[in-house]
Amino acid sequence: DAMVIQNPRYQVTQFGKPVTLSCSQTLNHNVMYWYQQKSSQAPKLLFHYYDKDFNNEADTPDNFQSRRPNTSFCFLDIRSPGLGDAAMYLCATSSRGRETQYFGPGTRLLVL
Amino acid sequence: AQSVAQPEDQVNVAEGNPLTVKCTYSVSGNPYLFWYVQYPNRGLQFLLKYITGDNLVKGSYGFEAEFNKSQTSFHLKKPSALVSDSALYFCAVSASGAGSYQLTFGKGTKLSVIP
Repeated sequence: DAMVIQNPRYQVTQFGKPVTLSCSQTLNHNVMYWYQQKSSQAPKLLFHYYDKDFNNEADTPDNFQSRRPNTSFCFLDIRSPGLGDAAMYLCATSSRGRETQYFGPGTRLLVL
Repeated sequence: AQSVAQPEDQVNVAEGNPLTVKCTYSVSGNPYLFWYVQYPNRGLQFLLKYITGDNLVKGSYGFEAEFNKSQTSFHLKKPSALVSDSALYFCAVSASGAGSYQLTFGKGTKLSVIP
C-alpha cells in the first residue's frame, strides 16, 4: 500500500543535542509537509517542500531546519532541542497544494 | 486569514445514537474543507473533504459532512456511533491563492462513544 512512513516512532534526546527525524513516502507526491503537534492540540505547520522548493512558515523557529534530498524522503533537523520542543512531529504529503494531505504515524520527541 | 472553530472540546454520545461534531470556518474565496480523525499516539487519518458540488459529502467509516455556505459550517455526522469511533476529530480548511498549501486546523473535538 502507498503510504507515508516516519522513523523513529519515538525519539529521546538530550537538551541541546541535535536530532533528525525522517519521513519517506511511496505516494510519489510533489509536496511534503512537517507539522508540530503538542498535547492533543491542532497540528502547526512548520514548513513544506513543493518538489525542491522550500517554504518556511513565518513563525517557525530558526532551530528547525529541513532537507529533501529526493522526492521520497524529507528530514526534520532540530539543531538544539529545548524542553519546549517536546511534541509529536507529523509528516504529510499531497500531490499539490489544496489537495488532501496524507499523514504519517508521527514521531514523538522527548527532550530530557 | 483563514480560521476554523470547533466549539466543543468534547462530545459524548451513546453507542448506536447519531453523532454530530461541529465546525465553522472563515476563509477568503472558495474553501476546501476537510475532516481528519486521530487516534492516540497516531497520525491524522483523512475522513472526507468538500471542494465543490453536492453539499452532503460521504466519507470513510460511515461518516458524512454537510457544507453550509450561508452558515459557513461543515459539521461531521454519523447516523449510528460505534465505540471504535472514540477519537480526536479535526476540521481543517485551505483557501485559494497565496497560502493555499496551508491547512488550517481547528483545535479538535474529542469524541467519546459510551457503550
